[in-house]
Amino acid sequence: DAEITQSPRHKITETGRQVTLACHQTWNHNNMFWYRQDLGHGLRLIHYSYGVHDTNKGEVSDGYSVSRSNTEDLPLTLESAASSQTSVYFCASSESSGSYYEQFFGPGTRLTVL
Amino acid sequence: KNQVEQSPQSLIILEGKNCTLQCNYTVSPFSNLRWYKQDTGRGPVSLTIMTFSENTKSNGRYTATLDADTKQSSLHITASQLSDSASYICVVSGQAGTALIFGKGTTLSVSS
Repeated sequence: DAEITQSPRHKITETGRQVTLACHQTWNHNNMFWYRQDLGHGLRLIHYSYGVHDTNKGEVSDGYSVSRSNTEDLPLTLESAASSQTSVYFCASSESSGSYYEQFFGPGTRLTVL
Repeated sequence: KNQVEQSPQSLIILEGKNCTLQCNYTVSPFSNLRWYKQDTGRGPVSLTIMTFSENTKSNGRYTATLDADTKQSSLHITASQLSDSASYICVVSGQAGTALIFGKGTTLSVSS
């Protein structure tokens, strides 16, 4: 069955370190998204991609970067981790950029920055 | 400002009872409204998607309603089960190509 996976599921790192969170989907979806979820907030969009070599900034992109070298993967990199980036990160994918298309979410990565 | 507000913030009900969760939005222009269920430690899973022209959509014991004129939606859960314990998130989509706007969710606890 097609799926979307994230790794690692849990990560503890120190302030200033570079961290990369992996996202892999087997639906062959063009669109992929990264969100963060914090208490007191709805999911907030970090970065998104509509296809290979395409990347776009979302609402809370500062301190994060992504690259899309193939259809299946969209890794999220924290260039220099900060305590404010402690959060749960979700990757999602959808078939098309049309607003009606459903987004399928991964299981999430819980990141703690000490 | 585009916003999605949900109420109540949390809710506790007895197994077998019905409940209704509310969602108000100010997103304009409006394309569609979704309800997601998020179990603890998992990613959100879609329950329903409704466009401007749809005012009711069901998925098993879950029934969502939409009033596009008043910009309100509700999610009704019938004959609740312990497995319904989760966070329910209302999500609104504007015109094509714009980001989804997520509500903060309602946390439902079903007790036996």
